[in-house]
Amino acid sequence: QKEVEQNSGPLSVPEGAIASLNCTYSDRGSQSFFWYRQYSGKSPELIMFIYSNGDKEDGRFTAQLNKASQYVSLLIRDSQPSDSATYLCAVIPGASGSARQLTFGSGTQLTVLP
Amino acid sequence: SAVISQKPSRDICQRGTSLTIQCQVDSQVTMMFWYRQQPGQSLTLIATANQGSEATYESGFVIDKFPISRPNLTFSTLTVSNMSPEDSSIYLCSVVPGGDYGYTFGSGTRLTVV
Repeated sequence: QKEVEQNSGPLSVPEGAIASLNCTYSDRGSQSFFWYRQYSGKSPELIMFIYSNGDKEDGRFTAQLNKASQYVSLLIRDSQPSDSATYLCAVIPGASGSARQLTFGSGTQLTVLP
Repeated sequence: SAVISQKPSRDICQRGTSLTIQCQVDSQVTMMFWYRQQPGQSLTLIATANQGSEATYESGFVIDKFPISRPNLTFSTLTVSNMSPEDSSIYLCSVVPGGDYGYTFGSGTRLTVV
């Protein structure tokens, strides 16, 4: 079982719609969760981080964390063509100790259609 | 967040040669991480580099192939040695400037081995 799994996509949504990206993780001890956006040919860019159960909102983005079910999701409201990118879920596993390195999912490619 | 200068941005190398990638951070950081992103894939951690100690390598990566230097708290290098076409990837460095807020990535080095 992969440590971090994402729905592979690709995912296409019309402009103005809500895009929903999902991620599950295997290490129940994980404490820190991140969503990165990566445009083609560019390095990953942090969008959101979340540590506590529930929702965290930042502009058009909402991260949702459910530790009991071991999933984290990202909602993008009012999707824009500029949101078209690959979205990477990343987790700091509980066993990482002081090293705190990120473990990434395989990414979901999102296309927002004008 | 920290600003990372990574170079070279891209290179085309002959098989059997070595390439050294540099990352310079604009602030002091304890840990630096080196990732590889193979074409169409997500990010895989190569090693964690702490200043003043040997780098810690992940399973499947060895020091002879990917030697790392960390001479001070703002700089690190990764060398890809005795390259083969399978080493063609994007290589990224990453830092955690403070706490868990925003793992920042360098702009990446796109390596092609011919």
